[in-house]
Amino acid sequence: EAQVTQNPRYLITVTGKKLTVTCSQNMNHEYMSWYRQDPGLGLRQIYYSMNVEVTDKGDVPEGYKVSRKEKRNFPLILESPSPNQTSLYFCASSKGQGVDNQPQHFGDGTRLSIL
Amino acid sequence: GEDVEQSLFLSVREGDSSVINCTYTDSSSTYLYWYKQEPGAGLQLLTYIFSNMDMKQDQRLTVLLNKKDKHLSLRIADTQTGDSAIYFCAESGGGGSTLGRLYFGRGTQLTVWP
Repeated sequence: EAQVTQNPRYLITVTGKKLTVTCSQNMNHEYMSWYRQDPGLGLRQIYYSMNVEVTDKGDVPEGYKVSRKEKRNFPLILESPSPNQTSLYFCASSKGQGVDNQPQHFGDGTRLSIL
Repeated sequence: GEDVEQSLFLSVREGDSSVINCTYTDSSSTYLYWYKQEPGAGLQLLTYIFSNMDMKQDQRLTVLLNKKDKHLSLRIADTQTGDSAIYFCAESGGGGSTLGRLYFGRGTQLTVWP
């Protein structure tokens, strides 16, 4: 079954304690991205990756890091989380080749609460 | 950058039609999408339309695209309580936009009353 898997689904932690949210896709997609969803703001892109070892900033990258060492994995790293990073996070992937963009497949989301 | 606008709320009675509207700014967008998000779940692709089409129908869903006005709509016929969710409009961007990137609206909360 084609899917995007995020872990953990829920996390409550404290300010300053480094955390990583993992994302894995089994569709051999080249393009992966992270979004955060906040009430009334829709989805905003944090970082994206066009392929292995190719990453770039989205609209709201401050306070986040990513890596793409393997095609299937795209972890989101919060080195020093702060309360304003409390949000619902989604990982997505797509083929993303050429201008005929394939629809993005989304994970089920990770709800982070930073106290 | 690209800007996608949607109204935030829509309420309809069960059995009626729902129409969710969206406007976008990038006239070179190749694809436009509608995603559905049910409570506690991720985004599920509902349907999409290629920019050279005016209309696309898929069972109870009808997508209308007015490229001149940069207006996209999603019509749900015979709306059911199970259709209650947040609906996101998204465009793929074009021109200098990053390949594979989507630009989302804020989402329309559809509430269906029995």
